[in-house]
Amino acid sequence: ILNVEQSPQSLHVQEGDSTNFTCSFPSSNFYALHWYRWETAKSPEALFVMTLNGDEKKKGRISATLNTKEGYSYLYIKGSQPEDSATYLCASGAGSYQLTFGKGTKLSVIP
Amino acid sequence: GAGVSQTPSNKVTEKGKYVELRCDPISGHTALYWYRQSLGQGPEFLIYFQGTGAADDSGLPNDRFFAVRPEGSVSTLKIQRTERGDSAVYLCASSPNSSPNYNEQFFGPGTRLTVL
Repeated sequence: ILNVEQSPQSLHVQEGDSTNFTCSFPSSNFYALHWYRWETAKSPEALFVMTLNGDEKKKGRISATLNTKEGYSYLYIKGSQPEDSATYLCASGAGSYQLTFGKGTKLSVIP
Repeated sequence: GAGVSQTPSNKVTEKGKYVELRCDPISGHTALYWYRQSLGQGPEFLIYFQGTGAADDSGLPNDRFFAVRPEGSVSTLKIQRTERGDSAVYLCASSPNSSPNYNEQFFGPGTRLTVL
């Protein structure tokens, strides 16, 4: 059974600040690490799927890194905007169709 | 194209009642998944369909929960004798049979179930 942990549970940042949060996961049997953004009343939106140790991915102001040997991934948001307010979920799939999710990090960007 | 849709978006029911939650996956996606997110938790796996068959139902919490996908497209999650602890957001996701992106799953907006 995988145990995916995310921190912090929630955070508030001022508009324009950069921020980051962490996802940790068991490094054994690693297959893929997924990041989703989930805005209230909408569908969770896939941000990144990461598979290789040392991988870095970027989408606009959002980027992510992956360390499969130590079992963690960071998500970075540069110059946060109010529309970035959402819950950010990470999920690990250890070679399985099942995704095991963390509890999420709830980000609030204050205008 | 159209994404995954779920109906209803909200369902309020009384303890002991029967409910059905519906999921329409992305057209052509053969894999379909149900997850449940309880308050303060991340989404938890319930069941996985490949085509019409339930390939893995190990996440269903007990025999009050059942899901079907009779034609390999729309799926219905059925909960009998609902309990207050069943209150949660029920998420559905789908993916192509041969996902090139390591099982990337596409989610619907969820159904928020409240059992009074």
